[in-house]
Order: sequence, then C-alpha cells, then structure tokens
Amino acid sequence: QVQLQESGPGLVKPSQTLSLTCTVSGGSISSRDYYWTWIRQPPGKGLEWIGYIYYGGSTYYNPSLKRRITMSVDTSKNQFSLKLNSVTAADTAVYFCARHRRGSMIGLDPWGQGTLITVSS
Amino acid sequence: QSALTQPASVSGSPGQSITISCTGTSSDVGGYNYVSWYQQHPGKAPKLIICDVNERPSGISNRFSGSKSGNTASLTISGLQAEDEGDYYCSSYTSSSTWVFGGGTKLTVL
Repeated sequence: QVQLQESGPGLVKPSQTLSLTCTVSGGSISSRDYYWTWIRQPPGKGLEWIGYIYYGGSTYYNPSLKRRITMSVDTSKNQFSLKLNSVTAADTAVYFCARHRRGSMIGLDPWGQGTLITVSS
Repeated sequence: QSALTQPASVSGSPGQSITISCTGTSSDVGGYNYVSWYQQHPGKAPKLIICDVNERPSGISNRFSGSKSGNTASLTISGLQAEDEGDYYCSSYTSSSTWVFGGGTKLTVL
C-alpha cells in the first residue's frame, strides 16, 4: 500500500526558510487521482491545512500562508516538497504530508507519520 | 479562512452514542458535500474515518456515521468503545478551492 514519509531539518532558525520533503512509496505521485498535501499541527493544538500540489505542478495554498509558501513536485524521485520562508516561533509544529483523493471518496489518506519542526535560535 | 467550529470536548460511556458537530458557512460546509472527519490518537497521525459527508472508507467501522444539515456537519459514533477516545477533526472544501479544518474535539470515554 501507499506510504508517505516526511523528512526535514528538525530545527530552523527564525527568519530562515523551512524545507521539507515527502517521499511517496508503493504508488506513483503522477496519478491523476490525487493531490499531494501538507498539513501542520502546532504542539497541543489543532490541524491546519497548508496546501496541496497536483503532479502537473498546479498548487493551492492556504490564503494565510500563501505569501510565504512554495510547493513543488519531483516525479522522477516520487517526492513533493514544501518551502516556508521567513519562519517564526509560530511556525513550530508537527508537519504532515498526506495524499488527497480527487473526484469521490475525497479525503486525506494515507498520512505520513509527521515530523516536528522547531523554530528557535 | 476561518477554522470550522467544533465543541472542545464531548464524553460518553461505553455503549452509548455521541455526536460531534462541525459548523461552518455557506462558503464551505453548507456549499459542498465535501466534508471529511479524522480521528487522531496521541502522538499519531490523523486517520480518515468519514469522507464526502457520510461515506466510510474501506475498513472503517459502521459505528461511525456522518451527516449534514445546512452549514453544520455532524459525526456520530454509536456503541462507544474505549478505543474511540481521542481527538476528532472535521474538514471541508471551500469556495476558494482550499480546505479548512475544524478546531478539533476531544472525546473522552468515561
């Protein structure tokens, strides 16, 4: 079955750029049936939808984060990525990647295990 | 976009039924039949339990059901079990072609 795995630096300094990658295994990222999504969860708080990308490169971002986000996809590596610039302590969170089904039975499944990103000097 | 509104907590005894509400606007919950629900246990990734308002993905117990009326969606868990304890989040498609989550509801099984 399809599995997703996030990878990232763990610790990022304020004002710098956070870079995360999600590796998809057991299925192709080039499938027309799915979007590839980033979600985050600050410690002890709820989920926040960051945005998603289609294999062809189309992107949809959370309006509140749009100015600081760039998502990309690398079909040759079966990976998609998130860059969040000008980070502050408020960006400290567990970052999840997930597959978002299109068309019908629409939802996020499966999810990666998540990776904790701490913004601190 | 504003988060959908969920109660902070609900509780129930084993065997009982509980309902969690998720209130949005006509630009999200009320405008589309694209509401999904997720269950999250501590330290784990969320798990999809309901999609398209009332559809259960393969492998999800029929004790979980979803519905919608106007701008409010609801998740009902029947025959409450200890393993159902955790956090529950709703999510909806929006008129901006984005998605939004609810603030989450902590379910306690007494």
